[in-house]
Amino acid sequence: ELKVEQNPLFLSMQEGKNYTIYCNYSTTSDRLYWYRQDPGKSLESLFVLLSNGAVKQEGRLMASLDTKARLSTLHITAAVHDLSATYFCAGMDSNYQLIWGAGTKLIIKP
Amino acid sequence: GAGVSQTPSNKVTEKGKYVELRCDPISGHTALYWYRQSLGQGPEFLIYFQGTGAADDSGLPNDRFFAVRPEGSVSTLKIQRTERGDSAVYLCASSLSGSYNEQFFGPGTRLTVL
Repeated sequence: ELKVEQNPLFLSMQEGKNYTIYCNYSTTSDRLYWYRQDPGKSLESLFVLLSNGAVKQEGRLMASLDTKARLSTLHITAAVHDLSATYFCAGMDSNYQLIWGAGTKLIIKP
Repeated sequence: GAGVSQTPSNKVTEKGKYVELRCDPISGHTALYWYRQSLGQGPEFLIYFQGTGAADDSGLPNDRFFAVRPEGSVSTLKIQRTERGDSAVYLCASSLSGSYNEQFFGPGTRLTVL
């Protein structure tokens, strides 16, 4: 059974700083997803990582996947206030279901 | 093009009542998913439709929950004899054809059972 754990669950940081959110999963997952959710809003897809060593970047966010370590990371570079949100990672199990982490609530202070 | 839409956006009901939540997927998407999200948690899978049929309903918590998609487009999630523990945001997502295709989420219906 696939389980997904994120850490930290809460992160408060200053603008301009760098930080990384970690996503560990328990068994094989064919792919790894990152989503963003703003308060009271739905989930917005950020990245889909398909294979070992995959790296994707969009603006100040970069996601990577290490299937051997069963680890994905979401790195934030020179954070800005607009990136404040909750970030979720999700793996896909053998039934093509998304199994979600608990989310990382990110607050970026000016 | 329009995204996934859900109605109502908010629903307040009393314990024991029946509720229906509606999802209108992106046109042309054959796969449709229902999730439930409690405060401070990630979404929890409920049911997955491929076309008109439920391909996987293993996430439905009990027989009070039922969902239909009679014409392969709009879906309705039905909850009978609601309980306070059913309070959550119910999210719907659709994808082009299921399996590995990216899922696009609707804004959700916030259900509050008093």
